[in-house]
Amino acid sequence: GENVEQHPSTLSVQEGDSAVIKCTYSDSASNYFPWYKQELGKRPQLIIDIRSNVGEKKDQRIAVTLNKTAKHFSLHITETQPEDSAVYFCAASIVTGANSKLTFGKGITLSVRP
Amino acid sequence: DAEITQSPRHKITETGRQVTLACHQTWNHNNMFWYRQDLGHGLRLIHYSYGVHDTNKGEVSDGYSVSRSNTEDLPLTLESAASSQTSVYFCASSRRRTGIGETQYFGPGTRLLVL
Repeated sequence: GENVEQHPSTLSVQEGDSAVIKCTYSDSASNYFPWYKQELGKRPQLIIDIRSNVGEKKDQRIAVTLNKTAKHFSLHITETQPEDSAVYFCAASIVTGANSKLTFGKGITLSVRP
Repeated sequence: DAEITQSPRHKITETGRQVTLACHQTWNHNNMFWYRQDLGHGLRLIHYSYGVHDTNKGEVSDGYSVSRSNTEDLPLTLESAASSQTSVYFCASSRRRTGIGETQYFGPGTRLLVL
């Protein structure tokens, strides 16, 4: 089955700097890659996603890039703010017909220092 | 507003007892999922369903069961609770769209402590 890995497991940045979180996946058939943010004690919430027919997607301060050849995708956060501090999960999915399930990475804890 | 809810939000039980965690969504989503979240392991899939009467095992299904009798609900049952099942449990749902990955929306979670 699919295996998704995130590195590093923790990341600390200064407020205003950029943060990059990388994930790798194992199954070349994976074609949907969402990123979730989970604040302490809360549920995971989708912040951005990308499908395999697109190489990059942006939404204000966040962007995701996908390299299908290398089987990795990255989350980029610019102008980081303290409220960006959270656990971020990447996931990968093989969408077959109408069925799809996600395999999550173990998460990375991002700390933004004021 | 449409939503996804879980109950109870917190549960303490004893080893060997049967426990059922409820998940209810009002989006009319076909797909529903159960995950457990443990430190260092991220979100691991327990069981999932693509529609009424459909259930499938995930990567950590031993000791758990689900049933899907309607679109709105996917209860998760721990047949005989074990201390290793102490965790935070999340239910999620998504639409069913052919060929396109769909956003999964998560419930608020249930904290389960097995003593």
